[in-house]
Amino acid sequence: GIQVEQSPPDLILQEGANSTLRCNFSDSVNNLQWFHQNPWGQLINLFYIPSGTKQNGRLSATTVATERYSLLYISSSQTTDSGVYFCAGNSGGSNYKLTFGKGTLLTVNP
Amino acid sequence: ETGVTQTPRHLVMGMTNKKSLKCEQHLGHNAMYWYKQSAKKPLELMFVYSLEERVENNSVPSRFSPECPNSSHLFLHLHTLQPEDSALYLCASSQSLTGTQYFGAGTRLSVL
Repeated sequence: GIQVEQSPPDLILQEGANSTLRCNFSDSVNNLQWFHQNPWGQLINLFYIPSGTKQNGRLSATTVATERYSLLYISSSQTTDSGVYFCAGNSGGSNYKLTFGKGTLLTVNP
Repeated sequence: ETGVTQTPRHLVMGMTNKKSLKCEQHLGHNAMYWYKQSAKKPLELMFVYSLEERVENNSVPSRFSPECPNSSHLFLHLHTLQPEDSALYLCASSQSLTGTQYFGAGTRLSVL
């Protein structure tokens, strides 16, 4: 199966700062998703973004499929942005079999 | 509220117990998934159902037994678990097998 590498593993920000999270894949993917897991364990889907750029409020994501990476941008961070951010992509010939990265733990301090 | 509800939220069981985890989705989706999230490890896909048929068993031990009686409900039956099975078990659903996945809040399982 594919390997999914996320960076950085940990990130501490002051409220209001901007950040970029990165996800690298060992092979091409066509079902790439970004998730946020809050401190209580709830996973929320942020983007379904196999290619191109999408924006949703203060969050945006860009996937460069030919170079096998995706970026998640968080602008004007808030304390409620804290949690773990995961990217995931399909593995091999199974488009539904998502392989997750280990995540980026984001802490936003007031 | 993601439209996917899991019960119970917490469960403590002994190694000889039998218990079941329940997942219900109110989104009209056709695919449902079970994932395991252990401490310090990525989410691991366990089972996938599409239109109530199992399409994936990701080398999961037989002490975990899934059941999908209809497209809205998914169960995970547990028996003779081991302490290393303690983890957060997450259910997800999607409109199709390649669609955006929506997760429940999870069941935090402790095996004593």
